[in-house]
Amino acid sequence: AQSVSQHNHHVILSEAASLELGCNYSYGGTVNLFWYVQYPGQHLQLLLKYFSGDPLVKGIKGFEAEFIKSKFSFNLRKPSVQWSDTAEYFCAVLGDSNYQLIWGAGTKLIIKP
Amino acid sequence: DGGITQSPKYLFRKEGQNVTLSCEQNLNHDAMYWYRQDPGQGLRLIYYSQIVNDFQKGDIAEGYSVSREKKESFPLTVTSAQKNPTAFYLCASSFSVKDEQYFGPGTRLTVT
Repeated sequence: AQSVSQHNHHVILSEAASLELGCNYSYGGTVNLFWYVQYPGQHLQLLLKYFSGDPLVKGIKGFEAEFIKSKFSFNLRKPSVQWSDTAEYFCAVLGDSNYQLIWGAGTKLIIKP
Repeated sequence: DGGITQSPKYLFRKEGQNVTLSCEQNLNHDAMYWYRQDPGQGLRLIYYSQIVNDFQKGDIAEGYSVSREKKESFPLTVTSAQKNPTAFYLCASSFSVKDEQYFGPGTRLTVT
């Protein structure tokens, strides 16, 4: 069965620190990959996505993610975080077999001002 | 404004009662979804619909039912058979099942 693993459930950083959130998945076929973000009190919204092409994808608010097929990973990065990045981040994977989006458990990110 | 609306935001019910959660979208999306979000577990798919008058069970469909009579609407009924109904329910839609999903604000259901 497909699964998605996010390694850190809680991350606390200071402003201007660099961020990397891990995401690994188990599925051998073609995948579409997503990172979603849920800011406090707001809807889940798409941060970035990978369907094909350049494995380094850029999203909103300075976030980027790299798809490494050999490692089944799609880690999220930001070189310098801001207090406004405090949110919960979800990795999700869509396989080409049943087209059901499989979600990681989420990572709660807290940025200290 | 285009988007997905869910109502109500908070819902309280007594055990043994069925309850229906509303989800409406004006994005002209074909596909719609219902998820349940529990702390520390991410989102789990309850039901999804690729097109009007068609829907499929997700991973945790037991105790839930849906209908898709109109493109814009995908209501979810939480029946008395659902053993642990207290949760945060999210509705989403997308152009197709391969595309990114757009989410509503959610309904927090409490059953006592």
